[in-house]
Amino acid sequence: QVQLQESGPGLVKPSETLSLTCTVSGGSINNYYWNWIRQPPGKGLEWIGYIYYSGNTNYNPSLKSRVTISVDTSKNQFSLKLSSVTAADTAVYYCARFPRTSYGDPIYYFDYWGQGALVTVSS
Amino acid sequence: DIQMTQSPSTLSASVGDRVTITCRASQSVSSWLAWYQQKPGKAPNLLIYRASSLESGVPSRFSGSGSGTEFTLTINSLQPDDFATYYCQQYNSYPWTFGQGTKVEIK
Repeated sequence: QVQLQESGPGLVKPSETLSLTCTVSGGSINNYYWNWIRQPPGKGLEWIGYIYYSGNTNYNPSLKSRVTISVDTSKNQFSLKLSSVTAADTAVYYCARFPRTSYGDPIYYFDYWGQGALVTVSS
Repeated sequence: DIQMTQSPSTLSASVGDRVTITCRASQSVSSWLAWYQQKPGKAPNLLIYRASSLESGVPSRFSGSGSGTEFTLTINSLQPDDFATYYCQQYNSYPWTFGQGTKVEIK
């Protein structure tokens, strides 16, 4: 059973960079696409971006200028950096996986999720 | 971006009721639609993919239908464990987008 676990600081100051890591256990990070999704308190879900184990990325245009997602296959981890944060970036941040077809192509819904990490942006 | 609109935003129902939630897309997403259940303080849990395919391990009282721009999630015989918030998500077009959620409350 694949499990995902987010980790990182729960408090970030405005204008600084938010950094989170997702550790994948119970399976390999290889050959899958891995995502970050966020949910502001009491609000809906927003897809942030994904990374393939090879390092290919794709980001939501609404956040693209501030987002970097990276992968470390040796540690079975991938990471999120969001720069120049404001209070509007306060949210629970989830990591999640796209499933894939038998040919290895991604299917763009989310079958496994981490438990989420609350990040508050405040001075 | 494709806008996903769910209705109602809140639904009050009793155990044993049949519940229907609607999700409308601002343009066609074919059948590339998923449904999730989220309980307070927890991550969303995949229920349905490709509009009507039940994810493994999900009770058969959950079903999905629709295509194009209009979709429904139906819960037959609502159980106490089903009181939660439900989200639809389109995966026809990048960026992938979610509905705003429908909260199913105890009547």
